Order: sequence, then C-alpha cells, then structure tokens
Amino acid sequence: AQKVTQAQTEISVVEKEDVTLDCVYETRDTTYYLFWYKQPPSGELVFLIRRNSFDEQNEISGRYSWNFQKSTSSFNFTITASQVVDSAVYFCALGGSSASKIIFGSGTRLSIRP
Amino acid sequence: KAGVTQTPRYLIKTRGQQVTLSCSPISGHRSVSWYQQTPGQGLQFLFEYFSETQRNKGNFPGRFSGRQFSNSRSEMNVSTLELGDSALYLCASSLTTGTGQPQHFGDGTRLSIL
Repeated sequence: AQKVTQAQTEISVVEKEDVTLDCVYETRDTTYYLFWYKQPPSGELVFLIRRNSFDEQNEISGRYSWNFQKSTSSFNFTITASQVVDSAVYFCALGGSSASKIIFGSGTRLSIRP
Repeated sequence: KAGVTQTPRYLIKTRGQQVTLSCSPISGHRSVSWYQQTPGQGLQFLFEYFSETQRNKGNFPGRFSGRQFSNSRSEMNVSTLELGDSALYLCASSLTTGTGQPQHFGDGTRLSIL
C-alpha cells in the first residue's frame, strides 16, 4: 500500500528563519513520483516540484530546496529565509507510473510570523 | 494560459439532494482527476478520467460518479447527499494519464450540506 506521512501538523517560525518540512513515504513500486504542493488560504493547490524515483539529486529553486533520500524514504522541503507569504499548508504527495492517482499526506500548516 | 476552472465556487444543498460540479481543464490537458478535501480525512482521490473513460477510482460509494466530455471537460455528480459530503472538491488536470504527470488544480468547489 502507498502512504505519505507528514508528522509535523503545524510549524510556526519567525520571518527570515529557515524551516524544513518533513515527508516520509511508503511504496512497493520501483517507479514512483514525489510531489510537493502549496495550499494558500485561497484554497488552490499550487504545484511546486516533482521528482521521480530514479533521480535523487537535490534541487534548489530560489529560497526553496528539496532533499530526496531513497535510503530513508524521505523527501524533505526546506524554505530558506522564510517570508510571511510562505504561510500556507504544504502537502507532500506520492504517485505511481500507471495512473494519475496521487496519495497526499495530511499536510503541514506553516505560519510565518513577522 | 487559463488554469483549471471549477464551477460553481460555492454550493449549499440539503440532505437527499443531488449535485453536479463542473471542471474545465487547462487547454490541451486530457486527464482530469477529482479529489475531496475535508478536515478529518484530508485530500482523498475520487476518480480520474482520460479520453472520456474512467481510468482510476478511489474508495468512495457509488453515489459519487463522474464523466468526461470530448473536449476534456468533466463533471462530477453526487446523489443522495449526506452531511458528510460537505467538503472542498478539487479538480486537477494533467497533459496525459500516468507517468507521474504533475497535476494542476483548480480553486475548488466548496459544498455545504445542511
């Protein structure tokens, strides 16, 4: 069975602090995809990144970076120098290669205080 | 490029009624997936349509159904509404099915059952 665990329900930090959101996944598939989505208060889920199971290179995009480690089945997301606009619920998700069904974690609510 | 459009944004119904939600995918996207989001259960996959055919289905009762038209637009229908059906219903589109395609979400339809 596929499963995504985001153990951190809520995180609150002061602006400009770095923050890491944890994501642990379970799957028996050898080919799979991992995603991060952001859900601001408006409700729309915004796609942030996709990684496939064969590409363990870490990725950096501006203040965002992602650390994918197959050995620990983790795909963590770090925001450097956080800003108030980063406040949202962040979802980690897992997808297989045979269908578009995505399994979402329960989400981490991130609050950035000014 | 227009994003995923869902209508209506808000809907209030009473128990026993039925409802139809609409989703227009991003132009050129042929796969449409539907998700239910509730505070208790989080984001749960309902079903996916590709080329007017249901490709994958989540664990929901038969009261939840959908269809896709030749222009890739999709509708979701819920019959005999129950209080527990109150949720944010999100539609997502992707270019094709499977292969870990990133899904792009609409703003959702918030359904309230009285």
